[in-house]
Amino acid sequence: GAGVSQTPSNKVTEKGKYVELRCDPISGHTALYWYRQSLGQGPEFLIYFQGTGAADDSGLPNDRFFAVRPEGSVSTLKIQRTERGDSAVYLCASSWHGGAEQYFGPGTRLTVT
Amino acid sequence: ELKVEQNPLFLSMQEGKNYTIYCNYSTTSDRLYWYRQDPGKSLESLFVLLSNGAVKQEGRLMASLDTKARLSTLHITAAVHDLSATYFCAVDERYQLIWGAGTKLIIKP
Repeated sequence: GAGVSQTPSNKVTEKGKYVELRCDPISGHTALYWYRQSLGQGPEFLIYFQGTGAADDSGLPNDRFFAVRPEGSVSTLKIQRTERGDSAVYLCASSWHGGAEQYFGPGTRLTVT
Repeated sequence: ELKVEQNPLFLSMQEGKNYTIYCNYSTTSDRLYWYRQDPGKSLESLFVLLSNGAVKQEGRLMASLDTKARLSTLHITAAVHDLSATYFCAVDERYQLIWGAGTKLIIKP
């Protein structure tokens, strides 16, 4: 079956702009996660959804970052007033339920110029 | 603060040799994962270790978990070039994964 998909694969934006990153999880997976990976580092947790609600958003770095999952499937990560330090690969993962094995998408490479 | 530490961070080895990557963590979690990442690619799940003493093997890779020592190892037997990649361990802490910095493995023919 289809795996986790993310769009766009690459996004270049100017400092101060707004961006949206999309994640389509594996069908039937109730849990969805966002991570951020900077060059040469391990991923960093951002937020975890169980169904439609954010069960844990403790990893969001500040209030410029926001994520939604209105119907319990597709999720969108939104970044306002982007900064150069936001440049990274944003990874989405899904699992059958919270705590189950997480399957990762290909990521969106965000570059803020 | 939760910490996951991998060592070594970089490993260059010859084909046919054996080596071990170590993953130490500070949480009391008993759920640990190993992932592989090729350059420019996403993360591929290798092993899921869910209890103390768990050992799993796939081909030339074997992973183990000692929750009392808070230590996991990834052992490579008779390495081949195709195993060149970056390997990450990650600990499940209340459903979020806490990651090590990764071990970049280069296997030379």
